[in-house]
Amino acid sequence: NAGVTQTPKFRVLKTGQSMTLLCAQDMNHEYMYWYRQDPGMGLRLIHYSVGEGTTAKGEVPDGYNVSRLKKQNFLLGLESAAPSQTSVYFCASSYPPGKGGGVGETQYFGPGTRLLVL
Amino acid sequence: SQQGEEDPQALSIQEGENATMNCSYKTSINNLQWYRQNSGRGLVHLILIRSNEREKHSGRLRVTLDTSKKSSSLLITASRAADTASYFCATDIRGTYKYIFGTGTRLKVLA
Repeated sequence: NAGVTQTPKFRVLKTGQSMTLLCAQDMNHEYMYWYRQDPGMGLRLIHYSVGEGTTAKGEVPDGYNVSRLKKQNFLLGLESAAPSQTSVYFCASSYPPGKGGGVGETQYFGPGTRLLVL
Repeated sequence: SQQGEEDPQALSIQEGENATMNCSYKTSINNLQWYRQNSGRGLVHLILIRSNEREKHSGRLRVTLDTSKKSSSLLITASRAADTASYFCATDIRGTYKYIFGTGTRLKVLA
């Protein structure tokens, strides 16, 4: 049981390049989230998904796109990277409220992806 | 703006002392959660308290919730050097599936 995994762990991009961050979970969670963490800012929600084939915007969605084609995977895309997107990106997953045998809304986090945009 | 704001931003204590950190939020919630983050790692869930609960315990952790003041506190008793980490509160926004995290409290426990 690997939990939540993220690929890659670290990446350096030049301004204007594109990339996709992959999040995978093996806990059969319906909900998945993408956050970014910047110094002094805490975690900010980028996009989230409440089920396969569905996505929604969070607090800071501009410049990012997501897809949830399979229940276990949640992809975050940067079409044209900007230096302002330099950050640490975390993926998380959870059961919906009322499910999960008591763990309910607990979010399980991946180890993070460090992205540097030059 | 952030839904949850932790206070203090940083806290340094001696091993064996208690550590208290606070979280304030702005909107109605269903639950509030506390998470811990060791440097460079992902967040780990510590405890969840629901809006109809006032206090909850888990090992050396005690969480309180005051919905009238829109605030919560996390108490770590008999702290250890291994408790050194950042602690975040997270609140759901009632009626949505979203969670908003605060800016965190950096706790340093000196051996």
